[in-house]
Amino acid sequence: NAGVTQTPKFRILKIGQSMTLQCAQDMNHNYMYWYRQDPGMGLKLIYYSVGAGITDKGEVPNGYNVSRSTTEDFPLRLELAAPSQTSVYFCASRVSSPTDTQYFGPGTRLTVL
Amino acid sequence: GENVEQHPSTLSVQEGDSAVIKCTYSDSASNYFPWYKQELGKRPQLIIDIRSNVGEKKDQRIAVTLNKTAKHFSLHITETQPEDSAVYFCAAGGYGQNFVFGPGTRLSVLP
Repeated sequence: NAGVTQTPKFRILKIGQSMTLQCAQDMNHNYMYWYRQDPGMGLKLIYYSVGAGITDKGEVPNGYNVSRSTTEDFPLRLELAAPSQTSVYFCASRVSSPTDTQYFGPGTRLTVL
Repeated sequence: GENVEQHPSTLSVQEGDSAVIKCTYSDSASNYFPWYKQELGKRPQLIIDIRSNVGEKKDQRIAVTLNKTAKHFSLHITETQPEDSAVYFCAAGGYGQNFVFGPGTRLSVLP
């Protein structure tokens, strides 16, 4: 199993540009998450999904959108990028049985200039 | 909603000494408490977790204790080594709930 994969690893955007961060998992987990981690800070939940076709906002959803058309994929869309969106973005998936374990992807480092 | 506090924010210990990081949570419905280690530039990795029906769990040099009444849990690392240097995050959650993470503790193990 590849686990949770993310692409790209790095990206530089100009203000106002848009992009999609890709996330995929091959563990058949229903729960998937997007977090952002600003330098020296903790993890903030952007959006999450409890299954294909179901998404919901987390703590900091403004400026982002998600979709979940399949169990495997959970892309995060940034529209009209702003410098405040400069961060490292982590995707995660979660299995609730028998353990309640969350697995993180390697992250995408995004800089908006 | 759930709120997780974590202390200290930074911790320096001599190699071989013990390190303790404490977290408190607010939602009594939370029943699962994982700890993650994040090395510089890497993803958070689960190192140990505990469920609310257990008071203590140990895995080699690391252990976690949980006090449900006081709503706090702690990570204990014994015989610290330089490779233990990292940022440690606690989290609280459970079935049907999202995890809420603490702000992190930067641990430095000095040789």
